[in-house]
Amino acid sequence: IAGITQAPTSQILAAGRRMTLRCTQDMRHNAMYWYRQDLGLGLRLIHYSNTAGTTGKGEVPDGYSVSRANTDDFPLTLASAVPSQTSVYFCASSEAPRGRSNYGYTFGSGTRLTVV
Amino acid sequence: AQSVTQLGSHVSVSEGALVLLRCNYSSSVPPYLFWYVQYPNQGLQLLLKYTSAATLVKGINGFEAEFKKSETSFHLTKPSAHMSDAAEYFCALGGGADGLTFGKGTHLIIQP
Repeated sequence: IAGITQAPTSQILAAGRRMTLRCTQDMRHNAMYWYRQDLGLGLRLIHYSNTAGTTGKGEVPDGYSVSRANTDDFPLTLASAVPSQTSVYFCASSEAPRGRSNYGYTFGSGTRLTVV
Repeated sequence: AQSVTQLGSHVSVSEGALVLLRCNYSSSVPPYLFWYVQYPNQGLQLLLKYTSAATLVKGINGFEAEFKKSETSFHLTKPSAHMSDAAEYFCALGGGADGLTFGKGTHLIIQP
């Protein structure tokens, strides 16, 4: 089934540790996104990529980094996790670049991360 | 700048009653509007979208939404609520250079 695969599904992480959340899509979508979802705050964009080889900062990029070596993969790395990064993380993709948002997004099932 | 406002973080209706979830937007360019649904412990799924064709848009699971430019609204409705409709609903706005802007979500509760 075409879509987005995120891994792991959930993780408990010690503060200060490094963690990479994985995201893979098989739809050949150009653009990919990372959001965090927190109660009362909705979805907030962390980083995005309009095409392989390019990335951009979203609303809340601090403490996170991304790479886009190819079309399918868009990993999100927390270099040194802090408790405020406890959240549910969603990866999404869209056919067209971010600036042509007449297309909707396809979302993964999320990674629930707890930093202790 | 674009913005989306969903009125009511929680909406409770009885099973069989009308569902009305409100969404208002602000945009300096012609808007594209979306409604997404999120069931517990799942990602967001597209319910329906408006992209400048018909102003009344029908989506999955019996939901529909009407684009009203004069009111800058895109409210989501369903004539008769089912228990399975209990979920979080997000309105989203596109058309600008910054991708989709999401509202903060409305939690729909269905009373038996």
